[in-house]
Amino acid sequence: GDSVTQMEGPVTLSEEAFLTINCTYTATGYPSLFWYVQYPGEGLQLLLKATKADDKGSNKGFEATYRKETTSFHLEKGSVQVSDSAVYFCALSEWTNTGNQFYFGTGTSLTVIP
Amino acid sequence: DTAVSQTPKYLVTQMGNDKSIKCEQNLGHDTMYWYKQDSKKFLKIMFSYNNKELIINETVPNRFSPKSPDKAHLNLHINSLELGDSAVYFCASSQDYQGYQPQHFGDGTRLSIL
Repeated sequence: GDSVTQMEGPVTLSEEAFLTINCTYTATGYPSLFWYVQYPGEGLQLLLKATKADDKGSNKGFEATYRKETTSFHLEKGSVQVSDSAVYFCALSEWTNTGNQFYFGTGTSLTVIP
Repeated sequence: DTAVSQTPKYLVTQMGNDKSIKCEQNLGHDTMYWYKQDSKKFLKIMFSYNNKELIINETVPNRFSPKSPDKAHLNLHINSLELGDSAVYFCASSQDYQGYQPQHFGDGTRLSIL
């Protein structure tokens, strides 16, 4: 079945450091891929998405490219800020002839220190 | 202005009780979901409704019963609460049930069983 494997945390970075959070997936067809962010005490918010191979999603300085050949959707940001401290979730959704498949990674906690 | 709202935000109760969590969305979406997030932040889909009809029913004890009186509401009723039900429950909605569009999450209901 489908699955999402995400880099385990926690991750601690200094402000302005480069961020990479790895995400790989398995799917039977052509899933849509998402990154969500969860701030303390809140629900998940969409950060970015990509719906087909080679698409690049980007938002608020974060980027991720849908790589079908490596089944990956790694999240990157060139210069993190303290306000980026949160939990990041990689997610997959796929519509198949047996119905929807929705899977979330286990989440990666990021703390950015000044 | 709240897009997806859930009540209550916190729910503390004793084992064996019956409780309900309410969810409403004002985004005009046709599809709504319930997720369970455990203490390690692992997020698992429980149910999905599209236009008041159940379309995803994951392996969840039948003590959990969703009800959708209209497409803007999806409530979750839990009978005979057990210690293992302690978690944060998130409601979400999306424009489509195929999963191509992102999901919008509520802020969660933290359920604690004493």
